[in-house]
Amino acid sequence: GAVVSQHPSRVICKSGTSVKIECRSLDFQATTMFWYRQFPKQSLMLMATSNEGSKATYEQGVEKDKFLINHASLTLSTLTVTSAHPEDSSFYICSATGQGDLDWETQYFGPGTRLLVL
Amino acid sequence: GNSVTQMEGPVTLSEEAFLTINCTYTATGYPSLFWYVQYPGEGLQLLLKATKADDKGSNKGFEATYRKETTSFHLEKGSVQVSDSAVYFCALRNSGGSNYKLTFGKGTLLTVNP
Repeated sequence: GAVVSQHPSRVICKSGTSVKIECRSLDFQATTMFWYRQFPKQSLMLMATSNEGSKATYEQGVEKDKFLINHASLTLSTLTVTSAHPEDSSFYICSATGQGDLDWETQYFGPGTRLLVL
Repeated sequence: GNSVTQMEGPVTLSEEAFLTINCTYTATGYPSLFWYVQYPGEGLQLLLKATKADDKGSNKGFEATYRKETTSFHLEKGSVQVSDSAVYFCALRNSGGSNYKLTFGKGTLLTVNP
C-alpha cells in the first residue's frame, strides 16, 4: 500500500519549452503532496507543498511562475516547468501524505523524474 | 532554523560488517526523526522513525535511538547484507501545527560487497 507513481521517469526537452510531470497516489488519497528537487550528491530540496483544491505554498527562492503546481484531485498533482532552461535540469521527486490507516507523519515518495534541458 | 547533518559517504563495507551512519540535527521544539532509504532506481521509503526522546526506531535489523541530549539519531545495523546497498537519508519534521515538511540530510551512499 501507499504507492506513489511519477510520469515520465525521464524527459529530455529543448530550451524554452515547457514540461509537465505527473505525480499520482495509486492506492490512497493524498491529503498533501510535496515537490522536491535533488541535485547530484546533495539533499532533497523542498520546492513546494500543495493541498488538493488550493494553491501551492512555495519555499523561499522558488519561482512560482516558473514551477507551476496544480493539485486538482486527491490522487494527482502536476509540476510544470515553464520555459525550461539547462539550469532546470535536475531530478524532481514528489511525495504524499495520506490519512486513515496510513501514518499521517510519513511521506510516501515517487521514484522521481529526471529532466534534461538541452 | 532546522538542519540535519549526516556523515558523508560513500561508505563501503563487507557483508556482515557493523554499520553506523551518524546523524545530528538542529531544531527548535521537539522534532520527529526519520531515516529514509533509497534503493537503486527506486523512490525514497521510510526505514524507521522516532517521535520523542529516548525512543528507538527499528526495522529490517536497523536501529536508531532519539538522543535529545546529543541531538543525534545515528543509524546502526549489526550485520549488513549486499541488499542493504542504498542511499540513506536522515530527516526531521518539526513539531506543531499541521506542518508536515521534512528537512533532509545530504544522504549517505552505502555499498556492501559480498
